[in-house]
Amino acid sequence: KQEVTQIPAALSVPEGENLVLNCSFTDSAIYNLQWFRQDPGKGLTSLLLIQSSQREQTSGRLNASLDKSSGRSTLYIAASQPGDSATYLCASYSNSGYALNFGKGTSLLVTP
Amino acid sequence: GAGVSQSPSNKVTEKGKDVELRCDPISGHTALYWYRQSLGQGLEFLIYFQGNSAPDKSGLPSDRFSAERTGGSVSTLTIQRTQQEDSAVYLCASSLTSGVAETQYFGPGTRLLVL
Repeated sequence: KQEVTQIPAALSVPEGENLVLNCSFTDSAIYNLQWFRQDPGKGLTSLLLIQSSQREQTSGRLNASLDKSSGRSTLYIAASQPGDSATYLCASYSNSGYALNFGKGTSLLVTP
Repeated sequence: GAGVSQSPSNKVTEKGKDVELRCDPISGHTALYWYRQSLGQGLEFLIYFQGNSAPDKSGLPSDRFSAERTGGSVSTLTIQRTQQEDSAVYLCASSLTSGVAETQYFGPGTRLLVL
């Protein structure tokens, strides 16, 4: 089974800082990788999906990269804002191609 | 509908009782997924539906868990004889198809507490 690990487990930064969240996976033969945001008491919101043939995806202040050879993905958040405070989860598809394998997430707090 | 909806949003039950959790996927989405998020644990896959069929039930933790989907739409996850370790947030997701490039859209979850 694909194992997904996220570091750090928690992160606190002052508003305006650029930050990087890390995700590593054990099986380089992934189909694609997806980053989600989870707000307290709410479901998951998809942020970016990187297909296995891609190296990165960008949406606004977010940039996600994928390096299959090293088994790593990073989520870069530029000019962080208090509204970015949430738990960020990365997930890869299993060999079956439909079940997502999730990391335990990084809890981000952006202070004003 | 506009998004995936789940009901109830919260459920408190006594050990040994049966519970039913409901998921309404996005209209037109043929694939539906159930996941569980336990305290301190990551999300774990439970079961997947393509249409009304469940090709993979391997994630269900025990035979007390079952799920069905009718009319290619609503799905119900049933937990019989609930145990305290069943306490978790149960999340449902749907996608247009079951292809690996398809984004899964998640509902808000049902928070289950077994006393």
